[in-house]
Amino acid sequence: DIQMTQSPSSLSAYVGDRVTITCRASQDISDDLAWYQQKPGKAPQRLIYAASNLQSGVPSRFSGSGSGTEFTLTISSLQPEDFVTYYCLQHNTYPLTFGGGTKVEIK
Amino acid sequence: QLQLQESGSGLVEPSQTLSLTCTVSGVALRTGGYSWTWIRQPPGKGLEWIGYIFHSGSPYYNPSLKSRVTISVDRSKNQFSLKLSSVTAADTAVYYCARDHRGGYGLDFWGQGILVTVSS
Repeated sequence: DIQMTQSPSSLSAYVGDRVTITCRASQDISDDLAWYQQKPGKAPQRLIYAASNLQSGVPSRFSGSGSGTEFTLTISSLQPEDFVTYYCLQHNTYPLTFGGGTKVEIK
Repeated sequence: QLQLQESGSGLVEPSQTLSLTCTVSGVALRTGGYSWTWIRQPPGKGLEWIGYIFHSGSPYYNPSLKSRVTISVDRSKNQFSLKLSSVTAADTAVYYCARDHRGGYGLDFWGQGILVTVSS
């Protein structure tokens, strides 16, 4: 299985801050990576697909980059509704595997 | 608009079989380019991919669960189902169904999830 190492597992930030979350794959997954946002009690919602493509309807403050084994999700200016949990997902090889999640908390 | 809805028993006794169904509306399961997927999330923990099935009925399971999992499809009802046998408390989780848009797009649509508790 491909291991997805997501970091940090949690972070504290202020509204307006720029934050970056990283996922590292245990082997080359090309650009077959998606980022999801999960609000409490809700299903994950896709933010980014194919590493850097913004899902329709998602605010432009979210962006993704990377290929191969290193990927990042950047939120350029945190808004109050962004203080939730984020996951990466590799869909290059089955079984699909998720990162462990990053909880973004208000400082 | 595509929608997925999980249904089934929310409480299962240890050693019994968990059974869930995902009803898909807005697209036919037989539509090419997609597989239909189950994922789970234990309370307070991360996400685990369980397996998928194509409309043709060809399943693929996570090796970690393969001995206990069966995913099937009912094209006439536009549903696909999950059975997980010999459950224990470790199988307590929110179970999600989702569409896997093949060809580099990943899991694009998810159901709202259903909590299944394993307890006597």
